[in-house]
Amino acid sequence: DADVTQTPRNRITKTGKRIMLECSQTKGHDRMYWYRQDPGLGLRLIYYSFDVKDINKGEISDGYSVSRQAQAKFSLSLESAIPNQTALYFCATSDSLGGAAEAFFGQGTRLTVV
Amino acid sequence: GDSVTQMEGPVTLSEEAFLTINCTYTATGYPSLFWYVQYPGEGLQLLLKATKADDKGSNKGFEATYRKETTSFHLEKGSVQVSDSAVYFCALSSDSWGKLQFGAGTQVVVTP
Repeated sequence: DADVTQTPRNRITKTGKRIMLECSQTKGHDRMYWYRQDPGLGLRLIYYSFDVKDINKGEISDGYSVSRQAQAKFSLSLESAIPNQTALYFCATSDSLGGAAEAFFGQGTRLTVV
Repeated sequence: GDSVTQMEGPVTLSEEAFLTINCTYTATGYPSLFWYVQYPGEGLQLLLKATKADDKGSNKGFEATYRKETTSFHLEKGSVQVSDSAVYFCALSSDSWGKLQFGAGTQVVVTP
C-alpha cells in the first residue's frame, strides 16, 4: 500500500459544486501539505498543517479550505468549484527535520471542473 | 519572495546521451535545494538534495551541486536511459517548515 493515499484519483464536477479531496498517510509524519500542479507553473502550495490544531494558508489558498481530522488525515475542500480550479492536486507529508526534510507525495487527484 | 527558474522542455534525447537541466533560484538566506522527479501517472519523489553551498547531491547516476555564487543547482546525468523519461522539478525550501517552492518542471523524453 502507498504511504500517502489520495482519493479520488480522478473527479469531474460541475461549476458551483462543493467537493472534497482526501489524503491519508501511514508515514507517521506530523507535517502535511496540499499542492496544486498546473502546466508551466510547477506545484504551488495551497495549505499546510503541522499538527491537528495547526492550519496555515499557502500561496494560493483562496477558494479552498482544509480540515486536519487526525494526524494521518488531511482533506482539501473546494467550497464552490470553478473551472480555473481544474488541476492536478497533490498531498504531501514530511517529518519534523526542518526545511531539508524529504517530502513524500501521493499519486495525485486529477480534478476537472466543467 | 523565493522563486525557482528552470529550463523549459520538453528535452528530447537519445539513449546514452548526456543530460543537463538548468536551475537557478532566488531566495533569502540559505535554502535547501532539491530535485524531484515525476514519472507518468505518479506523484513526485525525491531524486536528490543539497543543504549547503558546494554540497553535491547524487542518486541513480544523477548529480547536482549547490552553487551559491551563481545561485544554481543544475541537474546532470552522464548517460540517460529510456526509463529516465519523466518530468523533473527543481525546488527550494528556505524556512524550517518544509514548504517547497517549485520550478515549472522540465519534461525529459529519452528515445531508444
